[in-house]
Amino acid sequence: RKEVEQDPGPFNVPEGATVAFNCTYSNSASQSFFWYRQDCRKEPKLLMSVYSSGNEDGRFTAQLNRASQYISLLIRDSKLSDSATYLCVVDQAGTALIFGKGTTLSVSS
Amino acid sequence: DVKVTQSSRYLVKRTGEKVFLECVQDMDHENMFWYRQDPGLGLRLIYFSYDVKMKEKGDIPEGYSVSREKKERFSLILESASTNQTSMYLCASSPRASGAFFGQGTRLTVV
Repeated sequence: RKEVEQDPGPFNVPEGATVAFNCTYSNSASQSFFWYRQDCRKEPKLLMSVYSSGNEDGRFTAQLNRASQYISLLIRDSKLSDSATYLCVVDQAGTALIFGKGTTLSVSS
Repeated sequence: DVKVTQSSRYLVKRTGEKVFLECVQDMDHENMFWYRQDPGLGLRLIYFSYDVKMKEKGDIPEGYSVSREKKERFSLILESASTNQTSMYLCASSPRASGAFFGQGTRLTVV
């Protein structure tokens, strides 16, 4: 099965910093892309979908580059509560959702 | 709010037992998924279903089977539990081509 690759981190940043995560995927037939957040010992939760034109939700911006097959997530003005693992998710031609192993973010005061 | 409910939070089973993990969703979603999550390996897809009575193998189906007799329910079956199936099991559901919503997970220990 095709892969989804992420830098595992950890990314250690101070409050207020801007941090960016990247993710690459290998299946060019993928149609849908997402970022999830997972807190320790909790289930993953959908953070945002990723659209071809790029999309923003408050301090979070997601971008998709289909030609290079990568997805990015930018977090501005990091908060302590942003500390979590961020999972890149790609569908397999409209069916199964394949998860990256996640990137760990730690925001400190 | 979407609700995906897994029948147990914690389970302890003996090697060789047949184990049933149940998952129910209340949002009429077409797709349902079973994953397991292990440290360093991330979430790995075991099986998924895109319709009633339909199932597709994921990346690691060996030792597992599934059942989807009703749209809202997707069951994962460990035919003969083994210690290497000790893991966190996560069920999810989604509408077609959309993000998935997860249950709270079942932490299964096989002794």
